[in-house]
Amino acid sequence: GEDVEQSLFLSVREGDSSVINCTYTDSSSTYLYWYKQEPGAGLQLLTYIFSNMDMKQDQRLTVLLNKKDKHLSLRIADTQTGDSAIYFCASRPGTYKYIFGTGTRLKVLA
Amino acid sequence: DTAVSQTPKYLVTQMGNDKSIKCEQNLGHDTMYWYKQDSKKFLKIMFSYNNKELIINETVPNRFSPKSPDKAHLNLHINSLELGDSAVYFCASSQERGLGYEQYFGPGTRLTVT
Repeated sequence: GEDVEQSLFLSVREGDSSVINCTYTDSSSTYLYWYKQEPGAGLQLLTYIFSNMDMKQDQRLTVLLNKKDKHLSLRIADTQTGDSAIYFCASRPGTYKYIFGTGTRLKVLA
Repeated sequence: DTAVSQTPKYLVTQMGNDKSIKCEQNLGHDTMYWYKQDSKKFLKIMFSYNNKELIINETVPNRFSPKSPDKAHLNLHINSLELGDSAVYFCASSQERGLGYEQYFGPGTRLTVT
């Protein structure tokens, strides 16, 4: 079945880079997404990548996609305390269909 | 301007009651969704509507009835509320044309059933 998996926790020091990993099972996923959820808030779309790309950069964010291994990562450069949140990976395996990972709780230590 | 809005933000009610949550999007999108997020933050799709028509109904009890009066609105009515319905409910929207198909989420409605 369709599944998206992420590690639950990540802790980094302020100023370091954070790398959040995600694996998905459905090879028909055409788009993959990263969302950020701060406490008490909705999901904020950070970026997405099309499945025929292997990298996308957007300011401090870099997305890497290994389609063969069905592995997606989000790198946040120069991580700040304001980056502390839950990060969700999501795949789109079909029309109107989105599968979300369990979320990775990023804690940034000052 | 808020892109996807939901009301109310908080809802506290007793078991057995009936309640509704409203959602509106001003993005001109043609598809809207309801998700349930449990206490462990796991996010699960409940329904999706495209141009007011039900597309996805993910094994949700029939106590939950969505209604889409027009493309910009998707409301969720819940009958006979149970303790297990306590969760945060998110509305989202997307456009099924063009590139990306990104979903945009509302701020959530925290439902507490006592």
